[in-house]
Amino acid sequence: GAVVSQHPSRVICKSGTSVKIECRSLDFQATTMFWYRQFPKKSLMLMATSNEGSKATYEQGVEKDKFLINHASLTLSTLTVTSAHPEDSSFYICSAGGRTGGMGEQYFGPGTRLTVT
Amino acid sequence: AQSVTQLGSHVSVSEGALVLLRCNYSSSVPPYLFWYVQYPNQGLQLLLKYTTGATLVKGINGFEAEFKKSETSFHLTKPSAHMSDAAEYFCAVTQVGFKTIFGAGTRLFVKA
Repeated sequence: GAVVSQHPSRVICKSGTSVKIECRSLDFQATTMFWYRQFPKKSLMLMATSNEGSKATYEQGVEKDKFLINHASLTLSTLTVTSAHPEDSSFYICSAGGRTGGMGEQYFGPGTRLTVT
Repeated sequence: AQSVTQLGSHVSVSEGALVLLRCNYSSSVPPYLFWYVQYPNQGLQLLLKYTTGATLVKGINGFEAEFKKSETSFHLTKPSAHMSDAAEYFCAVTQVGFKTIFGAGTRLFVKA
C-alpha cells in the first residue's frame, strides 16, 4: 500500500510560536493532500485540501492565515500553525490522494500530536 | 449531498464472536465507500473499499463489507473477533470530484 509519513510525531511548543508539520507521500505522487484535525474521541475534521502548485482550499471556519498550507511538490505538503495557542492543541493528520489508478481512497499519515503550553 | 451515519459509537464483543459495525450513507450519485481503522495515536489505515463491481468486498485482517444499495448500507463484519481488532473504525463515502465524508466512528472493544 501507499506510505505517507508525517513529521514530527509529537511537538510541544510555547504559546505564540509557530509550528510546521510535514506530510510526505513516500512511494507515489499525490496530486491532492488533505489536512485533518481530530479532537479526542471524535471523528476527523477536514481543515483544508491542497493541490500541488495551487492554493489550498480551506473549509468553512478554518482560518487560512493561522493554518498555512503549502503543497510545493507532488510528495510534500506542510501545515504551519502560526502564533499557536493552547486551543490549537490537537491531533493533526494528513492524507494523500489522487494516486494513479486510485478510486478516491486516501492514505493517511501517522498523525502529529501538537501540545501548546 | 453525501452523509454517513455509523450506528453505535461503541460496540463490545467477546473474543471469537462476530463483529458487526453498521454504516449507512446517503449520496446523490453512486458512491465509493470505505472503511478505515485507527489505532490509538495513529493515523487511519484503509481496511477495504467498494467502488464498482462485486458488492461483497474483502479487506485486510479478515474484515469484509457488503454494499447494499437498496438499504444504503455498507456494514463491516468479521466472523471472529481478535483482541488486536480493538480500535476505532470509520466509515467514509466519496465520489470522484466530491469531498470524502467520514462517519463519527465506532470504537470496538474486544473482551477476553
